[in-house]
Amino acid sequence: DAGVIQSPRHEVTEMGQEVTLRCKPISGHDYLFWYRQTMMRGLELLIYFNNNVPIDDSGMPEDRFSAKMPNASFSTLKIQPSEPRDSAVYFCASNDRAGETQYFGPGTRLLVL
Amino acid sequence: AQTVTQSQPEMSVQEAETVTLSCTYDTSENNYYLFWYKQPPSRQMILVIRQEAYKQQNATENRFSVNFQKAAKSFSLKISDSQLGDTAMYFCAQQSNFGNEKLTFGTGTRLTIIP
Repeated sequence: DAGVIQSPRHEVTEMGQEVTLRCKPISGHDYLFWYRQTMMRGLELLIYFNNNVPIDDSGMPEDRFSAKMPNASFSTLKIQPSEPRDSAVYFCASNDRAGETQYFGPGTRLLVL
Repeated sequence: AQTVTQSQPEMSVQEAETVTLSCTYDTSENNYYLFWYKQPPSRQMILVIRQEAYKQQNATENRFSVNFQKAAKSFSLKISDSQLGDTAMYFCAQQSNFGNEKLTFGTGTRLTIIP
């Protein structure tokens, strides 16, 4: 398997622009997670899905952030409008059963100018 | 709420030596999962080792082993015969066994292996 795939790997945008991050989980994995990594806050969960249904979105910072999972093989994280404080590395991860290891994608490094 | 604490921001050790990274956590649950992830400069998050809290036996993976002390809520990682490729950030993480699958991470320990 190719592992968790994320795109783009790097994104540079200007404040106010819409940003869309994409993730393809490992085939057969029922759980998908979005994490954000910053120097100030470390690694924190934004949202996770089970069987395409959002389960816990308590980590989503505010209404500017939204996430969708239209099918088992694709998820998006959208920021609209983007702000400089959104600059971070965004990771997608997946696993196949409760309690099993989460496998991470390579991350998307976002820089908002 | 779950919390994970890594009290060593940075460590360094000579190649081939043994090093132990500390992690403590706080949870009211009896069953849960603990993980160590490695993040090299490439930023990829790589699983090092996984421990199920209901198992008393400490997990091992080749040169990596843990010392799991459930009563003390301690979960340290021992790296034996350290190699240059072990240079990375190491994150301790906890996962609940009660329906919330999210990982709660510590702040990380930056480990440098000196040639």
